[in-house]
Amino acid sequence: DAKTTQPNSMESNEEEPVHLPCNHSTISGTDYIHWYRQLPSQGPEYVIHGLTSNVNNRMASLAIAEDRKSSTLILHRATLRDAAVYYCILRGGGSNYKLTFGKGTLLTVNP
Amino acid sequence: DTAVSQTPKYLVTQMGNDKSIKCEQNLGHDTMYWYKQDSKKFLKIMFSYNNKELIINETVPNRFSPKSPDKAHLNLHINSLELGDSAVYFCASSQETGGHGNTIYFGEGSWLTVV
Repeated sequence: DAKTTQPNSMESNEEEPVHLPCNHSTISGTDYIHWYRQLPSQGPEYVIHGLTSNVNNRMASLAIAEDRKSSTLILHRATLRDAAVYYCILRGGGSNYKLTFGKGTLLTVNP
Repeated sequence: DTAVSQTPKYLVTQMGNDKSIKCEQNLGHDTMYWYKQDSKKFLKIMFSYNNKELIINETVPNRFSPKSPDKAHLNLHINSLELGDSAVYFCASSQETGGHGNTIYFGEGSWLTVV
């Protein structure tokens, strides 16, 4: 599996935007960029994913670099509930049968 | 309605015992997984089943035996429990056939403590 690199931790203030970076320089052409997050004492939950174009959903936006070697998860207005570990994961298209988690970024949101 | 449900949520048991964790998904997915999260918080895949067939077995000790009676269920049986088995076990599911960058849905976890 292609590897991703994320900062160990980041801090934000409530109601401010948060930009969580991820580097994936060895990404292959068929790899999708997935973001999951894990709230304290809960299972991981899907946030967003994309292939080449930027993506928006109700939870977040995903900005993908033109060369696809990096991406940024954007939380437009952080809330206390967004405090979690955020994982950036590469996943091949089609049948894949697993998701390989790295260490992720621990996001702390200050009131 | 919980999409991926696992039972029990908490389990405390003695070394050497045999225990099972059950998982059910009501999403109609064809693939189910077991992940383990240890005390250092690393999430690692253990098993993956597609249409009741074992696809991935990530060098898990053979004391761990998954069983998939049907596509909606994937149970995890652990024999001769050891202290190092203490962890949180997550069940998950996804639709892999015909998909593109498929989303995986996780259960809430089963906290296993071996004493």
